[in-house]
Amino acid sequence: EVQLLESGGGLVQPGGSLTLSCAASGFTFSSYAMSWVRQAPGKGLEWVSVISGSGGSSYYADSGKGRFTISRDNSKNALYLQMNTLRVEDTAVYYCARAPPRGARMVAVGFDNWGQGTLVTVSA
Amino acid sequence: QSALTQPPSASGSLGQSVTISCTGTSSDIGGFNYVSWYQQHPDKAPKLMISEVSQRPSGVPDRFSGSKSGNMAFLTVSGLQAEDEGDYYCSSYAGSNNLIFGGGTKLTVL
Repeated sequence: EVQLLESGGGLVQPGGSLTLSCAASGFTFSSYAMSWVRQAPGKGLEWVSVISGSGGSSYYADSGKGRFTISRDNSKNALYLQMNTLRVEDTAVYYCARAPPRGARMVAVGFDNWGQGTLVTVSA
Repeated sequence: QSALTQPPSASGSLGQSVTISCTGTSSDIGGFNYVSWYQQHPDKAPKLMISEVSQRPSGVPDRFSGSKSGNMAFLTVSGLQAEDEGDYYCSSYAGSNNLIFGGGTKLTVL
């Protein structure tokens, strides 16, 4: 059974930093691209970032470019999202999600498994 | 890139059918056959219901179907059941490993 378990959320002040983690199990982690998707309270879904199975390629939505860094450790079956210079508008539940392989188009076919999410609150 | 456009709400009676639309542009929905649909129940993670416009993942009832015409995509739920109530989101590949979501549609089963 595929399992994705996020952790690391919490309360942080504007301008602060936070690193989210996602522990994966039940599948060959290195064979899948992995993404972060967030959902502000009462709002819709927003794609944040994706990283290839090898970790060699990564892409970001404009909202996180230059502030967020996605990474992975395939030896630990772990996905990370380092978030710097956080803003109030970054407040959201952050989900990690598995992306079925589709060649170079890592997010093309969407996400077939999701974690339960971790809440990040940016507030003074 | 702007979010895809979905109606805020939709409704149908038990056993009936309902169709939810998702409007994009030629740079996303119209340019690729990579539209996905997700179902989300309150305080739960989204669940993939349709991928690549019309493909149902294993375990998704065949009451759920997807289609596309030009810059619009559609999710049809036939034979509505109470458990189908929830929020539905479309997403589309937008090139260069960029993905955009719709704003979501709240489906009410009457």
